[in-house]
Amino acid sequence: NAGVTQTPKFQVLKTGQSMTLQCAQDMNHEYMSWYRQDPGMGLRLIHYSVGAGITDQGEVPNGYNVSRSTTEDFPLRLLSAAPSQTSVYFCASSWDFSAGELFFGEGSRLTVL
Amino acid sequence: GQQVMQIPQYQHVQEGEDFTTYCNSSTTLSNIQWYKQRPGGHPVFLIQLVKSGEVKKQKRLTFQFGEAKKNSSLHITATQTTDVGTYFCAAPSSAGNMLTFGGGTRLMVKP
Repeated sequence: NAGVTQTPKFQVLKTGQSMTLQCAQDMNHEYMSWYRQDPGMGLRLIHYSVGAGITDQGEVPNGYNVSRSTTEDFPLRLLSAAPSQTSVYFCASSWDFSAGELFFGEGSRLTVL
Repeated sequence: GQQVMQIPQYQHVQEGEDFTTYCNSSTTLSNIQWYKQRPGGHPVFLIQLVKSGEVKKQKRLTFQFGEAKKNSSLHITATQTTDVGTYFCAAPSSAGNMLTFGGGTRLMVKP
């Protein structure tokens, strides 16, 4: 099984550009989430979803959109990239959002110039 | 909102020395999870603690959940170079719909 697959692994954007980070999981997990990781800041939750058609905001949602049209996919959209969004982004999924282990993708390193 | 504080932020040890990282919450937790992230890698689940005062062991790693379920610790006995990485604790929000991570403790081991 592939687990959680994220694309792209690396991306460089200019300020104001938009892009989508893709995330797919093949474990039939209902819960999916996006985190960003910055040095010294740990992992901060951007958005999450408890099932197809349901999304909600995490700790740092501003500047990001998500949708969940299928159980498998949970793309993260940057609407107008800013240098403050330079980070490593991780997608994660779980069978139970409160008590189940999170399975992480390998991460997407984004640089905004 | 809920905060999960983790200390220390960094720890350098000589190979063979012990290592401990501590996680503290401002609220009582339903459970706590621990993850390890190798340099350049992604977080990988280690363990989940649920019961008050629970202690679990994985080889040289010992995990403990406080009696009041507000704190937890991870202790590594006789560190090895393979233990290098950042260790995170994580806990569900009171509403149970988010997993909040501590800031992590970066462990560096000198051979």
